[in-house]
Amino acid sequence: SQKIEQNSEALNIQEGKTATLTCNYTNYSPAYLQWYRQDPGRGPVFLLLIRENEKEKRKERLKVTFDTTLKQSLFHITASQPADSATYLCALPTGTASKLTFGTGTRLQVTL
Amino acid sequence: DVKVTQSSRYLVKRTGEKVFLECVQDMDHENMFWYRQDPGLGLRLIYFSYDVKMKEKGDIPEGYSVSREKKERFSLILESASTNQTSMYLCASTLGVGTKNIQYFGAGTRLSVL
Repeated sequence: SQKIEQNSEALNIQEGKTATLTCNYTNYSPAYLQWYRQDPGRGPVFLLLIRENEKEKRKERLKVTFDTTLKQSLFHITASQPADSATYLCALPTGTASKLTFGTGTRLQVTL
Repeated sequence: DVKVTQSSRYLVKRTGEKVFLECVQDMDHENMFWYRQDPGLGLRLIYFSYDVKMKEKGDIPEGYSVSREKKERFSLILESASTNQTSMYLCASTLGVGTKNIQYFGAGTRLSVL
């Protein structure tokens, strides 16, 4: 069956370091992959979309890679700040047209 | 900016009550979704709608129904609330398919069923 895996353990890093979050999937061949940010008690907010033919995508301090052979996406935040502390979700298109399946998310905690 | 508004942030209901959760979007989006989010289980799709009066079951539709009478409004109905429906409920909308399929979420409704 289709499965999306994100590290359920929180990632704790120091301010200024690069945070790297992982999204692994099995039994999918997605045309694209998305990353969302979710703050406590709020709905997810879209960050980045990367297509299957793109190896890497950047937006300000964010970088996403997509390896369709490894079936993995990496999400990097460079020069991390306490304000980057949140849960980050990856999402893949599944089934009918606009449906997405979300990973369970990884909580990032950036400390001073 | 796209705005998705959920009618309540917090709701407390009793077992057996009929519960309505309302969601309104202001961007003329075709597709709307209802999810529930529970610790360790992530976001799970309850129902979605790709047009007015059209709906499809998601992964966990049991105990829920939906209504979409107008394009901008998508309602989730708990016919007879049960304690296992205590959860965070999130509504989302999206304009299109493929790489236009960016989902915009409401702030969520935290429902407690006692």
